[in-house]
Amino acid sequence: EPEVTQTPSHQVTQMGQEVILRCVPISNHLYFYWYRQILGQKVEFLVSFYNNEISEKSEIFDDQFSVERPDGSNFTLKIRSTKLEDSAMYFCASRARQGGSEKLFFGSGTQLSVL
Amino acid sequence: AQSVTQLDSQVPVFEEAPVELRCNYSSSVSVYLFWYVQYPNQGLQLLLKYLSGSTLVKGINGFEAEFNKSQTSFHLRKPSVHISDTAEYFCAVNRANTGNQFYFGTGTSLTVIP
Repeated sequence: EPEVTQTPSHQVTQMGQEVILRCVPISNHLYFYWYRQILGQKVEFLVSFYNNEISEKSEIFDDQFSVERPDGSNFTLKIRSTKLEDSAMYFCASRARQGGSEKLFFGSGTQLSVL
Repeated sequence: AQSVTQLDSQVPVFEEAPVELRCNYSSSVSVYLFWYVQYPNQGLQLLLKYLSGSTLVKGINGFEAEFNKSQTSFHLRKPSVHISDTAEYFCAVNRANTGNQFYFGTGTSLTVIP
């Protein structure tokens, strides 16, 4: 089965630093997502991206966050100035088409630790 | 908006015993329902989904789930668990037809005891 690839698997950073989390979605997919899971809590939606723009975002996705598809294969999540509460597992996901029945493929996640 | 509740955060069960992981949801519109599994150090994998039709859906690895509209539930079951079923299980909902965003529960950690 095709896979969504995320790098790095673990990222440790100092508070206030910028981090970029990288994802390579499945090649023919058009819709891309970032989710996060703080330890012991729900997997939460951050943002969806289609046609080179954000299509939906949650309250969590404030001005400190941004997403980009710089080269047609990578999909990145940038956190400009990390806070302690940004520590979480970040999952990238993609799917081929819009619509609730379409399968969402998840990457294995990047564990971000902000010290 | 949609929301999902998984009442059991941890479920220990002996190998070859049956298991049920509970999921309840709330929504003012029609939804699709999903169960995802997360094995250690891996991403979320789709176990099964309910879109329409028969309320009993079968997924991978011998799991099945039953959609109960009146009780707004979508409990996951397996008649005989294996050690390899030890994982985190997430229930999720998505607005039918047009839904872009998935809403997840807090997850249930299933531990199969030899």
